[in-house]
Amino acid sequence: QKEVEQNSGPLSVPEGAIASLNCTYSDRVSQSFFWYRQYSGKSPELIMSIYSNGDKEDGRFTAQLNKASQYVSLLIRDSQPSDSATYLCAVNGAYNTDKLIFGTGTRLQVFP
Amino acid sequence: GAGVSQTPSNKVTEKGKYVELRCDPISGHTALYWYRQSLGQGPEFLIYFQGTGAADDSGLPNDRFFAVRPEGSVSTLKIQRTERGDSAVYLCASRTGNTGELFFGEGSRLTVL
Repeated sequence: QKEVEQNSGPLSVPEGAIASLNCTYSDRVSQSFFWYRQYSGKSPELIMSIYSNGDKEDGRFTAQLNKASQYVSLLIRDSQPSDSATYLCAVNGAYNTDKLIFGTGTRLQVFP
Repeated sequence: GAGVSQTPSNKVTEKGKYVELRCDPISGHTALYWYRQSLGQGPEFLIYFQGTGAADDSGLPNDRFFAVRPEGSVSTLKIQRTERGDSAVYLCASRTGNTGELFFGEGSRLTVL
């Protein structure tokens, strides 16, 4: 079992819709969770971090964390073509809180 | 500097050659990470420095890979006897504090022929 799992996609949504991206992780003791966005040919950039169960909203983005289910998600409201990118879920390593482990990423396509 | 700087941006080498990749982190960032990313994959952890010491090198694939950060700032990733399977984008990232939020450089694309 991979430490951080994501559906590779592509996930295609129409402009204006809500895009829902999901991630599961294997180790229950992980405490820090991040969503990075990566445009093609570019490096990852942080868009959201979440540390506690529940929802965290930032503009059009909402991160959701459920530690009991070992599940973290990212919702993008009012999706725009400029949101088309690969979204990487990252989780701190179980016994080393400074080691960040990435999933394979989900490719999102927002069509006009 | 304003961001994480990596050089070279592209490196083409022949199988068996030695390669060095350099990373200059954001000024004041004490933690520095190296990742490797192949096409269609997420970044794969290689090594992490806190200051001058390697705090976790569990991701280095074998003893051909080595990294240093002698003065706690610039880091060099060294790859000996390169193989075609080493071809990837090597990403460097730095962080301040213990928030886990990494800032990435633009990467060094290594191609081994």
